[in-house]
Amino acid sequence: DARVTQTPRHKVTEMGQEVTMRCQPILGHNTVFWYRQTMMQGLELLAYFRNRAPLDDSGMPKDRFSAEMPDATLATLKIQPSEPRDSAVYFCASGLVRFLGRPSTEAFFGQGTRLTVV
Amino acid sequence: KNEVEQSPQNLTAQEGEFITINCSYSVGISALHWLQQHPGGGIVSLFMLSSGKKKHGRLIATINIQEKHSSLHITASHPRDSAVYICAVRAETSGSRLTFGEGTQLTVNP
Repeated sequence: DARVTQTPRHKVTEMGQEVTMRCQPILGHNTVFWYRQTMMQGLELLAYFRNRAPLDDSGMPKDRFSAEMPDATLATLKIQPSEPRDSAVYFCASGLVRFLGRPSTEAFFGQGTRLTVV
Repeated sequence: KNEVEQSPQNLTAQEGEFITINCSYSVGISALHWLQQHPGGGIVSLFMLSSGKKKHGRLIATINIQEKHSSLHITASHPRDSAVYICAVRAETSGSRLTFGEGTQLTVNP
């Protein structure tokens, strides 16, 4: 049963600490997205990768957030230093894009990482 | 005005009722997604549409590209359908970026 796996599911940390969230996309998918969901902003795109290369990270605060794909089976989202306003649920999603940037599959979402920064 | 608007924001129905959730958007799109978010927080992709209509079990999604409008229908609704339903569009000019509606909270009472 192919699925996107995110770890950890829950994270509570103190302000100023580094937080790393991990995502294992579905095998064979070439596009990985990071989304953040808050009550105030709803779902918003932070960054996405195609074939491990970052295509768009304009939604991400550059001073403290970084996203990488060390290999095709792992995407990471790091916050350093974390702040209380970063508290949210962070979703990873993966999909397969084959032709001219048009999606060939639906986006498959992970269960999310609920981050609380105190 | 948001690029993607959903209506209604909240919907309460009795089990068995036919449900319709609407989504209007203001940009040219390459695809439209309907997502379901359960009370536990997990998000499931229900449909991806670029034209016409798709059906999966009791769920039907339609899209009218000319009118920039999509609807999600649930036939014979059930309490387990209670969730937030989110419309998201992939604008023609935005690559793979999705723009989300605010969601519709559906509650189906037994």
